[in-house]
Amino acid sequence: KNQVEQSPQSLIILEGKNCTLQCNYTVSPFSNLRWYKQDTGRGPVSLTIMTFSENTKSNGRYTATLDADTKQSSLHITASQLSDSASYICVVSALTGGGNKLTFGTGTQLKVEL
Amino acid sequence: DVKVTQSSRYLVKRTGEKVFLECVQDMDHENMFWYRQDPGLGLRLIYFSYDVKMKEKGDIPEGYSVSREKKERFSLILESASTNQTSMYLCAGGLGEKLFFGSGTQLSVL
Repeated sequence: KNQVEQSPQSLIILEGKNCTLQCNYTVSPFSNLRWYKQDTGRGPVSLTIMTFSENTKSNGRYTATLDADTKQSSLHITASQLSDSASYICVVSALTGGGNKLTFGTGTQLKVEL
Repeated sequence: DVKVTQSSRYLVKRTGEKVFLECVQDMDHENMFWYRQDPGLGLRLIYFSYDVKMKEKGDIPEGYSVSREKKERFSLILESASTNQTSMYLCAGGLGEKLFFGSGTQLSVL
């Protein structure tokens, strides 16, 4: 069964600090991995999409890594800001005969405080 | 950027009512999806559509139906709402590998 597990479930950090969110998956056959940011009461917004051959991808202060061998990904946030407070969702896509099938993690709830 | 608009942010309905959730996208693309999001669970796919008048069941289609009469509009229908359908409903439009989500509709069924 395809699964995506994220850790930690929730995290509180001080503004300006860095943090790393983890995503482990058992999705097969792997197509790509995405990180989304979801603000409270809003829909998720894409941060990065990584394919099998990509190890690192950055989007501003967000850097995602992918280790396809160990089936792990991380999202590193540098110099956190209050606006980074949100849920971060890892989504892994499996390539099936009917197209890409997405499996969503339950998210890491990040709170950035002063 | 692509814009996906859901007509209602909050809805309160009674058990047994027929409920329509509307979603409109401004991209000229075929793929549209309906998900529900519940605390402690990842997004779960209800229905999706790759073209007008075409629909496919997702992982949890029971108790739901959809309508895609025009490319830009994808409606989710709860034929007879039940309390276990209280949830956040998210519509998404697909463009290549990217999904663009609407802001969501928080539905409460009393």
